[in-house]
Amino acid sequence: GQSLEQPSEVTAVEGAIVQINCTYQTSGFYGLSWYQQHDGGAPTFLSYNALDGLEETGRFSSFLSRSDSYGYLLLQELQMKDSASYFCAVSDMNSGYSTLTFGKGTMLLVSP
Amino acid sequence: DVKVTQSSRYLVKRTGEKVFLECVQDMDHENMFWYRQDPGLGLRLIYFSYDVKMKEKGDIPEGYSVSREKKERFSLILESASTNQTSMYLCASSVRGGRAEAFFGQGTRLTVV
Repeated sequence: GQSLEQPSEVTAVEGAIVQINCTYQTSGFYGLSWYQQHDGGAPTFLSYNALDGLEETGRFSSFLSRSDSYGYLLLQELQMKDSASYFCAVSDMNSGYSTLTFGKGTMLLVSP
Repeated sequence: DVKVTQSSRYLVKRTGEKVFLECVQDMDHENMFWYRQDPGLGLRLIYFSYDVKMKEKGDIPEGYSVSREKKERFSLILESASTNQTSMYLCASSVRGGRAEAFFGQGTRLTVV
């Protein structure tokens, strides 16, 4: 089966940079994605990595190392509205169909 | 605007009842998923479907079944609701393979009493 590990909680101050790590174990790995979920809301897609390296989308960047089964989400210029839970998720391709398995989530608290 | 719609935002059911949670997507996605979300446990996959009438068990299928008679609709069924099924249930859809960006519904907060 699949397993993902990420820190349960991270705190930071406005304007800072924070990195949320994710390690995974899975067969049929296809890609790693990140989702954001505000309290009471639905998860929303942030980024996706299928190949090694860094993907940048505005203040958010995501990194993947397939050989290390490791990725991270980097949030720059933190704002109060970034306080939320962040989930890494692996996409697996098995028998021609894809599944999406999530980690337990990292709660990010941004303080003034 | 893409949309995944879950039939109820809040639901209260009695132990032993049969419960139906409905999910509809308007994006013509092949994949649909049902997750439950509990504090400290993240999103756990119950069942998923990659095509009409096709279904696969996820990590925690016990006590649940699903139905996908039409491409846009994916139903989660609790055959005999129990208190340990009190949870937030999230439906999601995505295109087959590829980038696998999943779109989520707003969730159904189910309480079994």
